[in-house]
Amino acid sequence: AQKVTQAQTEISVVEKEDVTLDCVYETRDTTYYLFWYKQPPSGELVFLIRRNSFDEQNEISGRYSWNFQKSTSSFNFTITASQVVDSAVYFCALSEGFTGGGNKLTFGTGTQLKVEL
Amino acid sequence: GAVVSQHPSWVICKSGTSVKIECRSLDFQATTMFWYRQFPKQSLMLMATSNEGSKATYEQGVEKDKFLINHASLTLSTLTVTSAHPEDSSFYICSARYRNTEAFFGQGTRLTVV
Repeated sequence: AQKVTQAQTEISVVEKEDVTLDCVYETRDTTYYLFWYKQPPSGELVFLIRRNSFDEQNEISGRYSWNFQKSTSSFNFTITASQVVDSAVYFCALSEGFTGGGNKLTFGTGTQLKVEL
Repeated sequence: GAVVSQHPSWVICKSGTSVKIECRSLDFQATTMFWYRQFPKQSLMLMATSNEGSKATYEQGVEKDKFLINHASLTLSTLTVTSAHPEDSSFYICSARYRNTEAFFGQGTRLTVV
């Protein structure tokens, strides 16, 4: 069965600090997709990244970067120079199979990030 | 990108009444739609998967007679919470995909049963 673990329930940082959100996953499939979503207080899910199991290349998008390591089944997310607007709940999610990530998602329990001035 | 619209964004209903939530794909045909539920300060849990023209497949522990899902067209799926009670108060969010592509989320519906 697929499982996603986000061990950090809540993280508080001061603005401009770097912060890493951890995500560990379990799956028996060799083909799967990993996601990160941001959920602000308004509730909608903001898509951040999708990564398939065959692409271990790390990715950087502005202040965001992701480190995917199959050897440790981890897909960690780093925010560089955090800002107050980054405050939200962040979810890591897993989708098994070949459907471009369009199968059902298993979500982690989320990490509440609070960025203070 | 693909757009999925969910309506209403929030709804308050009296205990014992039914409420319908709509999930529409605006610029693509949604052959599959997923319904998730999120209780306050918790994660999102899949409730059911629906394929156009077929009966929905419910996850274990989800009452199919209470949460009626209809996916009668390629652009619309509805979730009806029947005889709602305060414990059904939650955030409900749908996602939709076309065949074997990635799924896109609606903006969610916050249901409060009083």
